[in-house]
Amino acid sequence: DAKTTQPTSMDCAEGRAANLPCNHSTISGNEYVYWYRQIHSQGPQYIIHGLKNNETNEMASLIITEDRKSSTLILPHATLRDTAVYYCIVRAYSGGGADGLTFGKGTHLIIQP
Amino acid sequence: NAGVMQNPRHLVRRRGQEARLRCSPMKGHSHVYWYRQLPEEGLKFMVYLQKENIIDESGMPKERFSAEFPKEGPSILRIQQVVRGDSAAYFCASSPRQNPSDEQYFGPGTRLTVT
Repeated sequence: DAKTTQPTSMDCAEGRAANLPCNHSTISGNEYVYWYRQIHSQGPQYIIHGLKNNETNEMASLIITEDRKSSTLILPHATLRDTAVYYCIVRAYSGGGADGLTFGKGTHLIIQP
Repeated sequence: NAGVMQNPRHLVRRRGQEARLRCSPMKGHSHVYWYRQLPEEGLKFMVYLQKENIIDESGMPKERFSAEFPKEGPSILRIQQVVRGDSAAYFCASSPRQNPSDEQYFGPGTRLTVT
């Protein structure tokens, strides 16, 4: 799976949009971009994923650049409960079985009141 | 639709004892993944199972750790002769298919403490 690079931490004011960047310059054509978050020590929570088109769901939007080398997760109206570590993960199908997710260090997003 | 269930949520074992961690996937999911999170570290993939088969155990320690997912019942992660370094949070995740376009859903985890 391609390696991802994320900022270590970010702050965002409550009620504002939180934009979390991720670089994945070595991504391959069959690799998906996934976003998860982990609030304190809870189990990771799935947020959104995409291949090449922008995606939106009830939690967030995912913007993937045309060359697919980077993406941005957007939380449109951040709340205090969105404070968490956000992980950007690139995932491919290995042929012998779908690989487990490779979690990096993620971005610690802190929502300020 | 219940999410991924894990039990126990907290488990305390003395060095040398065995630890058994259980994971019930979401309804309709036949693929289970186990991850470990050591204190102050990120999650690390351990093993991927389908019913009655181990598909990928590349992240499992070579000794003392084993996993199974029987035809009936939950998936079990078993740690024999636990040591203090096994203290961690163990998470399982499930997905409906073997497909990178299918998201994995995580359980709340089991926190293992070895004294």
